[in-house]
Amino acid sequence: GENVEQHPSTLSVQEGDSAVIKCTYSDSASNYFPWYKQELGKGPQLIIDIRSNVGEKKDQRIAVTLNKTAKHFSLHITETQPEDSAVYFCAAEANQAGTALIFGKGTTLSVSS
Amino acid sequence: NAGVTQTPKFQVLKTGQSMTLQCAQDMNHEYMSWYRQDPGMGLRLIHYSVGAGITDQGEVPNGYNVSRSTTEDFPLRLLSAAPSQTSVYFCASSYSSRQPQHFGDGTRLSIL
Repeated sequence: GENVEQHPSTLSVQEGDSAVIKCTYSDSASNYFPWYKQELGKGPQLIIDIRSNVGEKKDQRIAVTLNKTAKHFSLHITETQPEDSAVYFCAAEANQAGTALIFGKGTTLSVSS
Repeated sequence: NAGVTQTPKFQVLKTGQSMTLQCAQDMNHEYMSWYRQDPGMGLRLIHYSVGAGITDQGEVPNGYNVSRSTTEDFPLRLLSAAPSQTSVYFCASSYSSRQPQHFGDGTRLSIL
């Protein structure tokens, strides 16, 4: 089955700096890679996703890159703000039908002002 | 729309008790999943369903049962609770495969 590794587990940056979180996956057949943000006491919320037919996707200060050959994908947050502080999870498909997700163990991002 | 609604929000059980965690969605999503979240472990898939009458096991299915009699509801049953099942449980739904999953706010379950 799919296995997703996520690094680092914690990340501290100064406001305005960039933050990068990296994930690797094991199943080369995976085609969908979402990123979720979880705030304290809440369920995860999708912030961006990428499919295997593209290498990069941007949404304002957030971008995701995908390298299918190396089986890794990364989340990039530029111009970080204190409200970006949260736990971030990457995920990949749990099976070839893409009917469920396998998550990384999460990265706790702290942005200090 | 309410999205994904989970009840109860908090529950304390004794070892050996049974209970059902409720999950309902009003978005007409076919796909629904249950995850548990433990410190340092991320979200682990318990069971999932691709439509009414169809369920399958995820990464950590032991000790849990599910059924999907309607599109809207996907309850998770603990038949005989164990302390190892102390966790935060999240239900999620999506329109189809490879589409964003919408999560509820979780049920915090403690088993003594």
